[in-house]
Amino acid sequence: SYVLTQPPSVSVTPGMTAWITCGGNHIGSKSVHWYQQRPGLAPVLVMYYNSDRPSGIPERFSGSNSGNTATLTISRVEAADEADYYCQVWDLESDHVIFGGGTKLTVL
Amino acid sequence: QVEMVESGGGVVQPGGSLRLACAASGFTFKNFGLHWVRQAPGKGLEWLSFIKYDGGEAFYADSVKGRFTVSRDNSKETLYLQMSSLRVEDSGLYYCAKDGEAFVSRFDHWGRGILVTVSS
Repeated sequence: SYVLTQPPSVSVTPGMTAWITCGGNHIGSKSVHWYQQRPGLAPVLVMYYNSDRPSGIPERFSGSNSGNTATLTISRVEAADEADYYCQVWDLESDHVIFGGGTKLTVL
Repeated sequence: QVEMVESGGGVVQPGGSLRLACAASGFTFKNFGLHWVRQAPGKGLEWLSFIKYDGGEAFYADSVKGRFTVSRDNSKETLYLQMSSLRVEDSGLYYCAKDGEAFVSRFDHWGRGILVTVSS
């Protein structure tokens, strides 16, 4: 079935930009959604349909999707952004929701 | 605002059964698809099941197909997950989540989760 590949970890200095990638075969033809999960809390939707931000999510968060890679970009990273981030798609061929393995964002 | 509250978790022996419920409020329940997602301790998110807005169609992950059954009662605004033939590897935090649409798209609201422990 369809596989989404994320780097296990990304580290960034406060104020800099973090790029979290999500790789999948022809993922650019799918709609990708992103979730932030802070320790001990439920996931929160931070990006949907590749690049749409839900209300309440800062403009520092943006998304893109093309070819075999979708990317969540967090600009001007803050300590509060430290969390696990998951990408997600709906795989029509298998009728399965697929999550990436998650990326732990560490703010140094 | 949207609220989703899971219940029914607990400790069960391997081979046993458990029924989870998810009470929802703050939105027009009958118009949206709903999901169950679990997370084993220290692990990532694992999608388990989806049920369409009218209950007319449901999908399951391979890991639970044939053992878990999702259902919904739109009059009670409640989602259910009947789990049987439980295995140790089914242990984890179980979340219910609202889809942003009637069919499958994104999970726009999540419950806080309920713990299920399968152990002898």
